[in-house]
Amino acid sequence: RKEVEQDPGPFNVPEGATVAFNCTYSNSASQSFFWYRQDCRKEPKLLMSVYSSGNEDGRFTAQLNRASQYISLLIRDSKLSDSATYLCVVNPMTANAGGTSYGKLTFGQGTILTVHP
Amino acid sequence: EPEVTQTPSHQVTQMGQEVILRCVPISNHLYFYWYRQILGQKVEFLVSFYNNEISEKSEIFDDQFSVERPDGSNFTLKIRSTKLEDSAMYFCASSSDRGLRQPQHFGDGTRLSIL
Repeated sequence: RKEVEQDPGPFNVPEGATVAFNCTYSNSASQSFFWYRQDCRKEPKLLMSVYSSGNEDGRFTAQLNRASQYISLLIRDSKLSDSATYLCVVNPMTANAGGTSYGKLTFGQGTILTVHP
Repeated sequence: EPEVTQTPSHQVTQMGQEVILRCVPISNHLYFYWYRQILGQKVEFLVSFYNNEISEKSEIFDDQFSVERPDGSNFTLKIRSTKLEDSAMYFCASSSDRGLRQPQHFGDGTRLSIL
């Protein structure tokens, strides 16, 4: 099983649509979770952290299900500017010889979203 | 908003040559990282650095790689003898804590092309 697995996409949706992305992770000891977005040939940019209680930031809602090791991202009222690759990112926080792993982020392959007029 | 800066934006080098990629992390951050992304593939962790030493490194980070914080602001990645397969985007990141809650912020990357 891949460490972080995402819907392969691509997703092509019209403006105003609601779209949902899913992600599963294999390391049950993972402690923190994020969604980043990446535009073509650019750096990953933090979209939002994901908390157990679920969290919302404007049109974006993230959910975490620890029992199922599943993370989701919902985008409502899609805009043209939402077109990007969405990266599911997990911080496993594993132990190593020195004691604790410092932030070795594990990325999913990404899901491509294209919003069209 | 403070940001991570990287130089150069694009580096073209002959195979076997040494390259140094430079990063200036966000000023009050204490944890520093390098990642790479081969074209069309996912972002991969290379190394994390804290308190002037490597905290963790991946299998990719072999003896050809090294990191250094030569002064109070710069954080560098050196590849001693580059190979064709080192061609990738290299991203530097920094964070204010171990990443339990505080996310890592990424620089805009250096595109490394090995000929």
